[in-house]
Order: sequence, then structure tokens, then C-alpha cells
Amino acid sequence: AQSVTQPDIHITVSEGASLELRCNYSYGATPYLFWYVQSPGQGLQLLLKYFSGDTLVQGIKGFEAEFKRSQSSFNLRKPSVHWSDAAEYFCAVGVTSGTYKYIFGTGTRLKVLA
Amino acid sequence: GAVVSQHPSWVICKSGTSVKIECRSLDFQATTMFWYRQFPKQSLMLMATSNEGSKATYEQGVEKDKFLINHASLTLSTLTVTSAHPEDSSFYICSARVRVYTEAFFGQGTRLTVV
Repeated sequence: AQSVTQPDIHITVSEGASLELRCNYSYGATPYLFWYVQSPGQGLQLLLKYFSGDTLVQGIKGFEAEFKRSQSSFNLRKPSVHWSDAAEYFCAVGVTSGTYKYIFGTGTRLKVLA
Repeated sequence: GAVVSQHPSWVICKSGTSVKIECRSLDFQATTMFWYRQFPKQSLMLMATSNEGSKATYEQGVEKDKFLINHASLTLSTLTVTSAHPEDSSFYICSARVRVYTEAFFGQGTRLTVV
């Protein structure tokens, strides 16, 4: 079955510290992978995407993610977190199941300590 | 670029009435639009996928007659919640994409409260 797992429901980091949010997917074909961020009461904003090629992808707001096929992972990283990064982060995989659609993980809520 | 506008941002309606939510792609033509429902502190639940000019494809367990989706043009899709009840209160989010195997862009969401 196709699925996305984000093992960490909550993560708290201090401002300026590094961040890594984990994402594992289950999909039999070539995955198209995404990370989105959601602020309270808002829609989702695309941070970055992986379709093919270089397995380390750069996104907006200083985020990057690395695709590791052997581990079925697509972890999101940021070297130095800012207080404005506090939000909910969703990992998603594009799948073909009847139609081409997106399966989202359960999200990781990031809290940033001043 | 790639802006999706959803309207209204919030709406309160009485039980038994219908409410329509609009989703517009402002600077691109969206061949496919998606409608999601999000419960507090939970992930997004896909309700349906709509392609311009075609009937929407609903996910299992989603009532087609309750959640009417129309994708009349390449820039507009609407979700109508018919005969709304308090249990329909939720955050509804739309997204749109240009073509298959690309990313989807999201609207800002609509908070529906049925009283």
C-alpha cells in the first residue's frame, strides 16, 4: 500500500539550531516527493520537490532535502532554524492510483524556542 | 506565480443550508484540482479529484451527493456542501496543478462552521 510516514509528531528546537524532519514513504514505482509547510489556519506552501536527478534538492527558505532510495526516505533539513519556521510540515508522495494524486504524511509540528 | 485563491476564508452557516467554496488558479491553467478536508491537528484527507470538464472522482467514503464538486473551467473549481450539518464543520483546502507528475499548489483554506 502507498503511504507516507512522518515518525515525529512534534519537534522542538532552539533558534539557530539545525533541524531534520524525517519522512519515509512506501510506493512501488519511482516516487515524486514533496515537502510542504503550513502555518496555522493557512493552506500549504511548497518548500521543495524531488522528481529525478540530484538526490539533494534545495528549496525555499533555506531548506533542503535528501532522497535516499535505499532507505525510502526523504528527510528535510535546515542548518539554522529561525523562529518564523515554527509551523506544521508535511511530506507527500505523488502516486498513480486510478488518477495521479498525492498522499500526505501526518505532519510534524515544529516549535522553535527563542 | 502559481497562486491558488480560495474563497471564502471562513464561513458560518446554519444547519440544513448549503455553502459553496470557490477555488481559483490565478496565474495558470489547472487541468486538475483537488479538494481536501483537514481536521484539527491532523493531516489532509483527500475528498475528490476533479478534472476540467469531467465529473469529479471521489475517494472512498466521501458522499458525492453531499459534497458537490464542479470544475467548469481551467481556472475554477467549486465545492458545495449541501444540507450542511455540524459534523461537516472543518477546514477545507483546495489545490491545483498544471499537469500530471508535477507539484500541486494550495489555496489558503476555508474554515466552515455549521451551527
